[in-house]
Amino acid sequence: QVQLVQSGAEVKKPGSSVKVSCKASGDIFRSYGISWVRQAPGQGLEWMGGVIPVFRIVNYAQEFQGRVTITTDESTSTAYMELYRLTSEDTAIYYCARDTGYCNSDTCSPGWFDPWGQGTLVTVSS
Amino acid sequence: EIVLTQSPATLSLSPGERATLSCRASQSVSSFLAWYQQKPGQAPRLLIYDASYRATGIPARFSGSGSGTDFTLTISSLEPEDFAIYYCQQRSKWPIFTFGPGTKVDIK
Repeated sequence: QVQLVQSGAEVKKPGSSVKVSCKASGDIFRSYGISWVRQAPGQGLEWMGGVIPVFRIVNYAQEFQGRVTITTDESTSTAYMELYRLTSEDTAIYYCARDTGYCNSDTCSPGWFDPWGQGTLVTVSS
Repeated sequence: EIVLTQSPATLSLSPGERATLSCRASQSVSSFLAWYQQKPGQAPRLLIYDASYRATGIPARFSGSGSGTDFTLTISSLEPEDFAIYYCQQRSKWPIFTFGPGTKVDIK
């Protein structure tokens, strides 16, 4: 059973950047994508973007374009989300989640988010 | 961009009662809709995918229906562990996703 384990909590200054990692228990990147979702305190879920490593495809939500980079390191089964130019409004829990859609060498079948990582709290404060 | 709205924002019910949650899309998403449950301090959990299919391990009291723009999540008889926040999600233009704002089911 796939498990996703994220890096620990971070405290950052406004204007800086943060990089959160998400390590998968198995070799999932050959066949599955990873998305990142954030949740501000007391708020709902917000999809930030996702990566399909087998096709080197990365997509970002419009509101994060130019301010986020999602990458993977297949040798360590780890995905990364780096967010730049942080403000207090970026204070949130950041989750990674596996896209259940299976990909082979030719195509992908679309999927949903299961499982999720445990979440990483990022606090932006001066 | 497809916008999802959920109603009601809060649903106050007692254990054993039936819960009916609504999710409406600003344009058709076919059956490309999922429901997630989130409890305090926990990550969301996939409940229903493709509008009406229960995810692995999800009890039969959870059911989903709908297509196009109107969707419903029904919990036939609320158990104490079902009091949580429920989010709908669409992927009509996969791999782009959006979530609804959520419905909180709390104890009356």
